[in-house]
Amino acid sequence: GENVEQHPSTLSVQEGDSAVIKCTYSDSASNYFPWYKQELGKRPQLIIDIRSNVGEKKDQRIAVTLNKTAKHFSLHITETQPEDSAVYFCAASRGARKSNYQLIWGAGTKLIIKP
Amino acid sequence: DTAVSQTPKYLVTQMGNDKSIKCEQNLGHDTMYWYKQDSKKFLKIMFSYNNKELIINETVPNRFSPKSPDKAHLNLHINSLELGDSAVYFCASSRGTGQEKLFFGSGTQLSVL
Repeated sequence: GENVEQHPSTLSVQEGDSAVIKCTYSDSASNYFPWYKQELGKRPQLIIDIRSNVGEKKDQRIAVTLNKTAKHFSLHITETQPEDSAVYFCAASRGARKSNYQLIWGAGTKLIIKP
Repeated sequence: DTAVSQTPKYLVTQMGNDKSIKCEQNLGHDTMYWYKQDSKKFLKIMFSYNNKELIINETVPNRFSPKSPDKAHLNLHINSLELGDSAVYFCASSRGTGQEKLFFGSGTQLSVL
C-alpha cells in the first residue's frame, strides 16, 4: 500500500539553529502535503500545508519545500525556539477537499530544542 | 469557544467493560473522524463520517462502533474493552471529505486495566 516515510525520528538542535525534517511518499498521484505539530499532551495542529502545483511555501519561521520528481517534501524551521519542541507529522494525500482519498501519515519526528 | 470538543479527557476502565467517547464540533464542518494514537505516537484513522454517512471504515475490530446523530456530532462506542485498546483517541473534523486542514479535539486518554 501507499506509505510516507519520515526522517529523522528524533532531532535535537541548539536553540537558534535551523531544523529540517524530511518525508518521502510512494504515491506519485499525491497532491496535498500537510504538516502537523503536536506538543506534549496536546492535540495535533496543522502548521503548514502545500499542494503539488507549488514548490515552496513559507509562513514566518517555517517553510515547506516539495520535490515532485524525487517524491519528497521537507519542513524547515529557522531560528528555533523552545516552543518549537514537539512531535511533527508529515502526511500526503491525493485528495482535494471534496474527495475521500486517504491521508497517509508519517511516523512523526520528535524535535528537541536545546537551550 | 472550543472548535472540536470531546469527552471525557481521561477514561480508566476494566477489561471487558463498554465505554463511549463523545465528540462535537462547532465549525460547521461536513466531515468528522476518529483517530487512534498509540504509545509510539503513530496516528491511525479509524472512521470518517460525512454528513452522517460513513465514508471511511478502516480495519478496526467490530467492537468499535461509531455513531453520528448529526453532522456536528460523532461518538465512539467500544464494547468488551481489551488491554490493547489503551491509547489516545482523537476526534477531528474538516470542511470536505479529503482530510484537508483537520481540526483535532483534545483527545481521550483511554487506559484499560
